[in-house]
Amino acid sequence: GAVVSQHPSWVICKSGTSVKIECRSLDFQATTMFWYRQFPKQSLMLMATSNEGSKATYEQGVEKDKFLINHASLTLSTLTVTSAHPEDSSFYICSAYPSGSSSLEQYFGPGTRLTVT
Amino acid sequence: KQEVTQIPAALSVPEGENLVLNCSFTDSAIYNLQWFRQDPGKGLTSLLLIQSSQREQTSGRLNASLDKSSGRSTLYIAASQPGDSATYLCAVRGDYKLSFGAGTTVTVRA
Repeated sequence: GAVVSQHPSWVICKSGTSVKIECRSLDFQATTMFWYRQFPKQSLMLMATSNEGSKATYEQGVEKDKFLINHASLTLSTLTVTSAHPEDSSFYICSAYPSGSSSLEQYFGPGTRLTVT
Repeated sequence: KQEVTQIPAALSVPEGENLVLNCSFTDSAIYNLQWFRQDPGKGLTSLLLIQSSQREQTSGRLNASLDKSSGRSTLYIAASQPGDSATYLCAVRGDYKLSFGAGTTVTVRA
C-alpha cells in the first residue's frame, strides 16, 4: 500500500525558535500534499495544500508567513513553523494521494507532535 | 461549507457485539467518502473509500454504506474485538479537500 512518512515523530522546541517537519511519500509520487493540525480531542483541520513546484494554498485563518510550506519534489513536502509559540503546540499530520490517481484516496503520515516550551 | 457530523461521539460495547457508526454531511456534492481509524497519538489509517457513485464498500469485517442524496454514511464493524478500540473518523471530499467529522471513539470491552 501507499506509505507516507513524517520526520520527526515528536519535537520539543523553545518559544521563538523555528522547527521543520518533513513529509515523504515513500512508494509513490505526489503532486499534491496536505498539511493538517489536530488539537487534543478534536478532529483534523486542513492548514494548507502543497503543490510541487508552486506556492502552497493556505486555508482561511492560517498564517502563511508563520507556517512555511515547501514542496520541492514529487516525494517531499516540508512544513516550517517559524517563531514558534506555545499555542502552536499541536499534532501535525501530512497526507497525499498518488499523482494521476482517479480515486483521490488520501494516505496519511504518522504525525508529528510539536511541543513549544 | 461542508459540515460533517459523527454520532455517537463515544461508544462502549462488549466484545463480539456489532458496531454501527454514523456519519452525516450537509453538502451532497461529494467526490468520495473515506473512513479512517486513528489510535491515540498516531496518524490515520484508511479503512474504506466509497466513491460518490457507489453505495457500499466491504473489507473483511468492515462494511460502509453511502446514501449521497440523504447525506449519510454508516460504518458497520462485525463481531467487534478489543483491538478495534480506536477513534473512527469519517471524511468527505468536495472540490479539493477532505472535510472531517469529529470522530467516534470506540471501546470494546473484553
